[in-house]
Amino acid sequence: QKEVEQDPGPLSVPEGAIVSLNCTYSNSAFQYFMWYRQYSRKGPELLMYTYSSGNKEDGRFTAQVDKSSKYISLFIRDSQPSDSATYLCAMSTGNQFYFGTGTSLTVIP
Amino acid sequence: EPEVTQTPSHQVTQMGQEVILRCVPISNHLYFYWYRQILGQKVEFLVSFYNNEISEKSEIFDDQFSVERPDGSNFTLKIRSTKLEDSAMYFCASSPSYEQYFGPGTRLTVT
Repeated sequence: QKEVEQDPGPLSVPEGAIVSLNCTYSNSAFQYFMWYRQYSRKGPELLMYTYSSGNKEDGRFTAQVDKSSKYISLFIRDSQPSDSATYLCAMSTGNQFYFGTGTSLTVIP
Repeated sequence: EPEVTQTPSHQVTQMGQEVILRCVPISNHLYFYWYRQILGQKVEFLVSFYNNEISEKSEIFDDQFSVERPDGSNFTLKIRSTKLEDSAMYFCASSPSYEQYFGPGTRLTVT
């Protein structure tokens, strides 16, 4: 059983759309949840970081964690072509870190 | 804005050779990590380092690998006797607590 499951996509949306990206996990010991954006052949760039269940908002991005369902989401409002990238979820017990496979997103102008 | 840097950006080596990948973490961070990403696959945790010692390592991080913080700024990953399957992007990350900041990576090609 994989620790972290993430739909690889690809996902293609028109500019201005709301994007929903999701991950599920199996390890109830995960406490820290992160979303990264990765452009081709570059390092992951931290977007959002949350500790507990609930929502966290930062500009056009909202991260949501539901520990009871072992499900996390990232919402992107008013998507822009510059948001086109691979989005990685990651989670941690505090010691090891586990990444999803990433969802490839293309925002079409 | 401070950032993690890594050198070299691309390293080509022959099978069986040793390579050292270098990282300069963000200066006030306390936790350091190495990850690898084989082309088209997920980012995989290798090792975490805190207070000058390994705090956690994955199954991938076997005796072929070692890490060091030789001075106050650099953080290195040594891969001994490289194999073809070691070809990947290697990312260093540093963290003040739990959120990690990644470097641009070193592309290692083993021929």
